[in-house]
Amino acid sequence: DAGVIQSPRHEVTEMGQEVTLRCKPISGHNSLFWYRQTMMRGLELLIYFNNNVPIDDSGMPEDRFSAKMPNASFSTLKIQPSEPRDSAVYFCASSRGAVETQYFGPGTRLLVL
Amino acid sequence: AQSVTQLGSHVSVSEGALVLLRCNYSSSVPPYLFWYVQYPNQGLQLLLKYTTGATLVKGINGFEAEFKKSETSFHLTKPSAHMSDAAEYFCAVSNQAGTALIFGKGTTLSVSS
Repeated sequence: DAGVIQSPRHEVTEMGQEVTLRCKPISGHNSLFWYRQTMMRGLELLIYFNNNVPIDDSGMPEDRFSAKMPNASFSTLKIQPSEPRDSAVYFCASSRGAVETQYFGPGTRLLVL
Repeated sequence: AQSVTQLGSHVSVSEGALVLLRCNYSSSVPPYLFWYVQYPNQGLQLLLKYTTGATLVKGINGFEAEFKKSETSFHLTKPSAHMSDAAEYFCAVSNQAGTALIFGKGTTLSVSS
């Protein structure tokens, strides 16, 4: 099993630019989660999907953030426009069910200058 | 509302010593409880979980945790620490709706020789 795949692994961009993070969940998993991790705030749940449908996006910080899951094998998290305070590690995780074991990807380390 | 409190953001032990990482939770429904570990520059991976049944749960790498309903605790222990145990550890509880996990702030474990 390939595990959860995230790309890119590292992203450096300038303030105001659009950033798109990508995630491929484990095949057969029907729940997908996006998290953000920072030193100050720890691990925060941004949004999660069940069967490709967004269930709860209350953790999305503001309208600059958007997430999509067009099919069971792909999800994106977009930040437009990006700001320096968005700098963090963004994790994608998937599971067979909402409270089943979550399998995390390696993360995308984002730096906004 | 569900919540998780990890007592001690940083724990230091000597190699061979007992490891005890504390986790207390608040839940209005029977909780599912998890411990995850994060090694540097990696995503989180599951150590162990409690859903129902036996309250003493054994996980990978010699770790175990005991669900104590009366104390609303789910502390993680390991009899003898190894240098490779140095990492960040997260406790998590299922949310009230049973649709996602709520993570604690994490505890960094340092192991000295």
